Amino acid sequence: RKEVEQDPGPFNVPEGATVAFNCTYSNSASQSFFWYRQDCRKEPKLLMSVYSSGNEDGRFTAQLNRASQYISLLIRDSKLSDSATYLCVVTGTDSSYKLIFGSGTRLLVRP
Amino acid sequence: NAGVTQTPKFRILKIGQSMTLQCTQDMNHNYMYWYRQDPGMGLKLIYYSVGAGITDKGEVPNGYNVSRSTTEDFPLRLELAAPSQTSVYFCASRDSVAEAFFGQGTRLTVV
Repeated sequence: RKEVEQDPGPFNVPEGATVAFNCTYSNSASQSFFWYRQDCRKEPKLLMSVYSSGNEDGRFTAQLNRASQYISLLIRDSKLSDSATYLCVVTGTDSSYKLIFGSGTRLLVRP
Repeated sequence: NAGVTQTPKFRILKIGQSMTLQCTQDMNHNYMYWYRQDPGMGLKLIYYSVGAGITDKGEVPNGYNVSRSTTEDFPLRLELAAPSQTSVYFCASRDSVAEAFFGQGTRLTVV
């Protein structure tokens, strides 16, 4: 079983749609959780951290369910510029703080 | 503030050649990482370092070596390049549990 699993997509949605991505992780001791965005052939960039209480940043909402080892990302009112790959990222449980990446979910927002 | 700088951006190697991918960060981060990303896949950890003088293997270390003589620099060495090492290489740094910052990547082709 992969340490971090995501649906690869692609999710093809019209502008203005709401879309949700899910992610599961295998190590219950994981401590930090993130969503990164990666544009084609570019480096990953932090979209948002994910906190146990859930958090929102504009059109983006992230949720963490530690009991189910599940992370979600909700994007409301999708824009063309949201088209990218969204990477679910979990920090390892040792002192190296290494990031463990899911394979990413591709989002295509059409006009 | 330059962040994480990688050089070169592109390189074509012949089978059996060697090269060093350079990575420098100016944020005084202790933790640095090398990842590779194959097409359509997530990032896989090659090597990491938790501070100057300390390095350790990640998930896919075979065929690579690293050194960390200073806090700023974390070069990745490829010895005897093979076609399987054709990939995009990303260097990242972070300050323990905070956001990780990535370089722009090195696109390597081995022919």
